[in-house]
Amino acid sequence: QKEVEQDPGPLSVPEGAIVSLNCTYSNSAFQYFMWYRQYSRKGPELLMYTYSSGNKEDGRFTAQVDKSSKYISLFIRDSQPSDSATYLCAMRDRNYGQNFVFGPGTRLSVLP
Amino acid sequence: GAVVSQHPSWVICKSGTSVKIECRSLDFQATTMFWYRQFPKQSLMLMATSNEGSKATYEQGVEKDKFLINHASLTLSTLTVTSAHPEDSSFYICSARGTSGDEQFFGPGTRLTVL
Repeated sequence: QKEVEQDPGPLSVPEGAIVSLNCTYSNSAFQYFMWYRQYSRKGPELLMYTYSSGNKEDGRFTAQVDKSSKYISLFIRDSQPSDSATYLCAMRDRNYGQNFVFGPGTRLSVLP
Repeated sequence: GAVVSQHPSWVICKSGTSVKIECRSLDFQATTMFWYRQFPKQSLMLMATSNEGSKATYEQGVEKDKFLINHASLTLSTLTVTSAHPEDSSFYICSARGTSGDEQFFGPGTRLTVL
């Protein structure tokens, strides 16, 4: 079993839809979580950074962490064609020096 | 947000030559830089972690003599692909972590094509 798993997609939704992107993980020590967006042939761009359980909102994006279920989500409201990209989750444990473990990414396509 | 640049953005070279890729943190000091490799439609594969002034730590299966990493300053790390072969063709991406934060900020990537 991989440490971090994501549905690879592609996930296709109509413009304006609410999108739910998810990651599951196996290491209960993970406490810090990030979501990145990567456009084709570009480097990943940091979207959200969260610590422990709970929700964090930034504009149309909401990150949710459920440590009891080892499950994190990124919700995108009012999705736009410009949101079409690959979304990567990343996480690490409490040790600051540890590198983040990345999920394989989910490809999202928002259709106009 | 913090900005990380990479140069060149793309490079084509002949088999057997060496290629150097630069990664710079433009508006912050990066104590740690990471080098990743990414094949089309696949996720990031961490190659190595480098801390300023010390030797890089390579991931299992990554040849340290083939992929030379130098992190000589708090704003610059370089990856040199030595004696490149067609199977080294890939998208190479660096990321940097600053002194005061935990987030990793990525560069735009370098596309290497070895003929």
